[in-house]
Amino acid sequence: TQLLEQSPQFLSIQEGENLTVYCNSSSVFSSLQWYRQEPGEGPVLLVTVVTGGEVKKLKRLTFQFGDARKDSSLHITAAQTGDTGLYLCAGARRGSQGNLIFGKGTKLSVKP
Amino acid sequence: KAGVTQTPRYLIKTRGQQVTLSCSPISGHRSVSWYQQTPGQGLQFLFEYFSETQRNKGNFPGRFSGRQFSNSRSEMNVSTLELGDSALYLCASENGGGETQYFGPGTRLLVL
Repeated sequence: TQLLEQSPQFLSIQEGENLTVYCNSSSVFSSLQWYRQEPGEGPVLLVTVVTGGEVKKLKRLTFQFGDARKDSSLHITAAQTGDTGLYLCAGARRGSQGNLIFGKGTKLSVKP
Repeated sequence: KAGVTQTPRYLIKTRGQQVTLSCSPISGHRSVSWYQQTPGQGLQFLFEYFSETQRNKGNFPGRFSGRQFSNSRSEMNVSTLELGDSALYLCASENGGGETQYFGPGTRLLVL
């Protein structure tokens, strides 16, 4: 059973379009991280959200943590070709040190 | 600050052999976690070390082991390699008190 479900799995859009990626769980997380990964490289941290209902903005990226701390979303405005990559959400649970639970990822392709 | 480093970046082994991978965390970080990433399963947690002690372990067979040294550097070992061990092995570090992990570039292992 996948503890963190990410959707969609694949997304192919044109430059300039907006998109939203979802990360859902039936479990409560103490925090949730979003990463972006390029092929053959390690995931690069984009943001950590900790408080239920929290919204964080990073330029064109907006991250939201659900009120119940079970779900999160990533919204990209006016996507650029440089946004192409694998987006991963990962949840941390209290008492489970060092063990992040990862979703399977959303593979985003932004075409010029 | 230098990021997480992993050596080697690429490795080719044959079935039955053993392999040792190395990870140097961000300076000051005392926790190192290891993950296996495959196309089918995504990122799966192997184990986490803090101050030379294994604090948490995932659901992998005993062929997968690790250790951490007094300078927080960590190694993981896989014995009796199987074809299914081919994967990207990632290590991540954090300061041991928080939940945000920073990943290295990974070691790509191919078992023939």
